[in-house]
Amino acid sequence: GAVVSQHPSWVICKSGTSVKIECRSLDFQATTMFWYRQFPKQSLMLMATSNEGSKATYEQGVEKDKFLINHASLTLSTLTVTSAHPEDSSFYICSPKENEQYFGPGTRLTVT
Amino acid sequence: GEDVEQSLFLSVREGDSSVINCTYTDSSSTYLYWYKQEPGAGLQLLTYIFSNMDMKQDQRLTVLLNKKDKHLSLRIADTQTGDSAIYFCAETQLTGGGNKLTFGTGTQLKVEL
Repeated sequence: GAVVSQHPSWVICKSGTSVKIECRSLDFQATTMFWYRQFPKQSLMLMATSNEGSKATYEQGVEKDKFLINHASLTLSTLTVTSAHPEDSSFYICSPKENEQYFGPGTRLTVT
Repeated sequence: GEDVEQSLFLSVREGDSSVINCTYTDSSSTYLYWYKQEPGAGLQLLTYIFSNMDMKQDQRLTVLLNKKDKHLSLRIADTQTGDSAIYFCAETQLTGGGNKLTFGTGTQLKVEL
């Protein structure tokens, strides 16, 4: 069965609103979670790395105030897209650092 | 920089072999991976190879690594319609911040009857 889950699997929101995406490790503890973004017909790009109990690290060009990451426990990491705009529409995928075999099923975000 | 390149599209007939190629630039890569992504889904790890290996075979999958040319390939024998998907190669380096994956541009494989 799946060892990493994401919720929601898809979401449509209006421009200017915020959306929270949850990533849960089901059978193990994840101290570090990678968050990727995938635009249509493109590859995955690492956005940020969440660390349990400490601040997330962001890749160059990713606005930390826009993409808020919280890793409050060893089984839950969240990504909040604040003041979403249509250009934020994408497929967001999480993956635990502990095992590159596991990826979440992804969250499709559409901002209208 | 860390660039991983793949051809965009590959079309094969069912039963034929498929070969998907990947070139990378970072010679410090420790592991190289192949992932499969079906429409609207996350990534599924197919296989991986350690950088000190030249070849790895796993059932219908054969991975070849030419470290000198920084070239990686995935051969799928007896390709089936269920193999139609996008395939990503990825490299990882062990850094102070932990392992980070850099993905290739992806190759869409279409299997025709």
